[in-house]
Amino acid sequence: AQTVTQSQPEMSVQEAETVTLSCTYDTSESDYYLFWYKQPPSRQMILVIRQEAYKQQNATENRFSVNFQKAAKSFSLKISDSQLGDAAMYFCAYRSGETSGSRLTFGEGTQLTVNP
Amino acid sequence: KAGVTQTPRYLIKTRGQQVTLSCSPISGHRSVSWYQQTPGQGLQFLFEYFSETQRNKGNFPGRFSGRQFSNSRSEMNVSTLELGDSALYLCASSLVGLSTQYFGPGTRLLVL
Repeated sequence: AQTVTQSQPEMSVQEAETVTLSCTYDTSESDYYLFWYKQPPSRQMILVIRQEAYKQQNATENRFSVNFQKAAKSFSLKISDSQLGDAAMYFCAYRSGETSGSRLTFGEGTQLTVNP
Repeated sequence: KAGVTQTPRYLIKTRGQQVTLSCSPISGHRSVSWYQQTPGQGLQFLFEYFSETQRNKGNFPGRFSGRQFSNSRSEMNVSTLELGDSALYLCASSLVGLSTQYFGPGTRLLVL
């Protein structure tokens, strides 16, 4: 079974600074997808960024980028120019590309605080 | 395009009762997944429905069940509620063949 680990329960960053959230995963599969979701106090889960394992290029979405290290099974999220609205719980998630279905396996989450 | 909607948003029940939660996916999405979120266990996969058939099931007791209708709307049912069933229940939908799931706002269930 696949597992996802987020070793930082809490992180903080100053507004306009850069922060990196860590995620590691364990799988024997070669085809899979990785995601970062954001959950603000409203509890609505919002997709931040996704990465296909077969792509060597790291995904980017505006101020959000990932560092995908397939051999090390590491998938970190970098937030540049942090804004107050980035404050939320961030979840790393894994989805198999080899089995049917859309089941996501989530990490424990990292609570990000943005200080003004 | 409207997002995933879930009803009701909040629910209070007592132990032993049963509850039904509803989820309407994004138009055109045929896959619907359900997750339970609690402070102690985090986010756990309950089950997934596709074309009215359960495609995947998580490690939950048989008290948790679901179904999907021909219009892709899905319901989940929890019978004989226990205090530990208090949680945020999230529904997510996705297009066939694509990996990204989009989540609804959740239903917060409190069991007293």
